[in-house]
Amino acid sequence: DIVMTQSPDSLAVSLGERATINCKSSQSVLSRSNNKNYLAWYQQKPGQPPKLLIYWASARESGVPDRFSGSGSGTDFTLTISSLQAEDVAVYYCQQYYSTLYSFGQGTKLEIK
Amino acid sequence: EVQLVESGGGLVQPGGSLRLSCAASGFTFSSYSMNWVRQAPGKGLEWLSYISSSSSSMYYADSVRGRFTISRDNAKNSLYLQMNSLRAEDTAVYYCAREGSASYSHYWGQGTLVTVSS
Repeated sequence: DIVMTQSPDSLAVSLGERATINCKSSQSVLSRSNNKNYLAWYQQKPGQPPKLLIYWASARESGVPDRFSGSGSGTDFTLTISSLQAEDVAVYYCQQYYSTLYSFGQGTKLEIK
Repeated sequence: EVQLVESGGGLVQPGGSLRLSCAASGFTFSSYSMNWVRQAPGKGLEWLSYISSSSSSMYYADSVRGRFTISRDNAKNSLYLQMNSLRAEDTAVYYCAREGSASYSHYWGQGTLVTVSS
């Protein structure tokens, strides 16, 4: 099974500043056949279901503000919020969909400093 | 508009059974694979199970394999999760989710709460 580990567990960032969340997989989620990383990022606000932000490690879902970006390859990935807004307070999860047991990271709680 | 509405949650005793349903609308249900994901109170997301569009493939997390069964009825645009031998640790909000162009979860329902307690 692929284990996903996020860091940090929680993060406090000032409004307008950059927020960076890391995600590491226990084995590569890069497919050699199509050169795509099978890694997604979700945002979950209190009392709401998760919302897809990023797929294929760096493809932004339609309607997601461009301050959200994903990067990385193989086993190491990053979600970056370039300029934190108040509405970005949430828990963020990475998920691999490379293996058939689609594991999530433990989540990173993002707050305003 | 894609809509996924879960139902069937509630209070059940340890060792009991429950069947969750997910009613889908706004898309061609038979064309998409589906997943169940749960979230225990105050905890993170846990992927549980996958079913392909034609029901030809099904996968389960180790935590529920042998106790839970995923199924679908494409004629009724519905996804199901039969949960047997329920334990206290199965207490969670259960979400159904539709896949996108690959196996990430593109759309999510609002979830249904399952509480396992005596």
